[in-house]
Amino acid sequence: AQSVAQPEDQVNVAEGNPLTVKCTYSVSGNPYLFWYVQYPNRGLQFLLKYITGDNLVKGSYGFEAEFNKSQTSFHLKKPSALVSDSALYFCAVRELSGGSYIPTFGRGTSLIVHP
Amino acid sequence: DTAVSQTPKYLVTQMGNDKSIKCEQNLGHDTMYWYKQDSKKFLKIMFSYNNKELIINETVPNRFSPKSPDKAHLNLHINSLELGDSAVYFCASSHLFPTPAYEQYFGPGTRLTVT
Repeated sequence: AQSVAQPEDQVNVAEGNPLTVKCTYSVSGNPYLFWYVQYPNRGLQFLLKYITGDNLVKGSYGFEAEFNKSQTSFHLKKPSALVSDSALYFCAVRELSGGSYIPTFGRGTSLIVHP
Repeated sequence: DTAVSQTPKYLVTQMGNDKSIKCEQNLGHDTMYWYKQDSKKFLKIMFSYNNKELIINETVPNRFSPKSPDKAHLNLHINSLELGDSAVYFCASSHLFPTPAYEQYFGPGTRLTVT
């Protein structure tokens, strides 16, 4: 069965510093990997995805993520954090299971950017 | 021009009651989903419909019954509400076929409180 792990419940970073939100996955086949962001009292918004090809994926709001097959990781990164980046971030994977592509989400990582 | 909309936004009801949540998408997607987000922000898929056909039915009490009258609508009916049903319920939509590589678009959520 597929799974996604976000090892950090919370990440704290100062504004202007680089940020990393970690995600590791476990699938039996090729993974379809996604990052979503959730602002307070809002639905999730898509940031970026890895399907195939270049291991460095660029997404919305200056975010990027690096796919590492050997480490089964898909960490979210941003070179310079903004206070407005403070939110809950979810990593997700989709894999074929029982004839359907079940989406599985990590438990979420709360990013807090301090002024 | 709302992409995925849900009604109501808030729902407060007593144990034992029956309630429904409605979802509509105007993105032309062929697949819709229901998720439950608990108080710890953990997100779990419940159901998914593709072209009005149920394709994902996770371990959910049979008090929960989804209905998809057409591709643009997915409703969730809950019978005999229990305290543990209190959560935020998100509707989402996406393309699905021919690959699961498409990102999901989420509604704003319905906060259900059972007293």
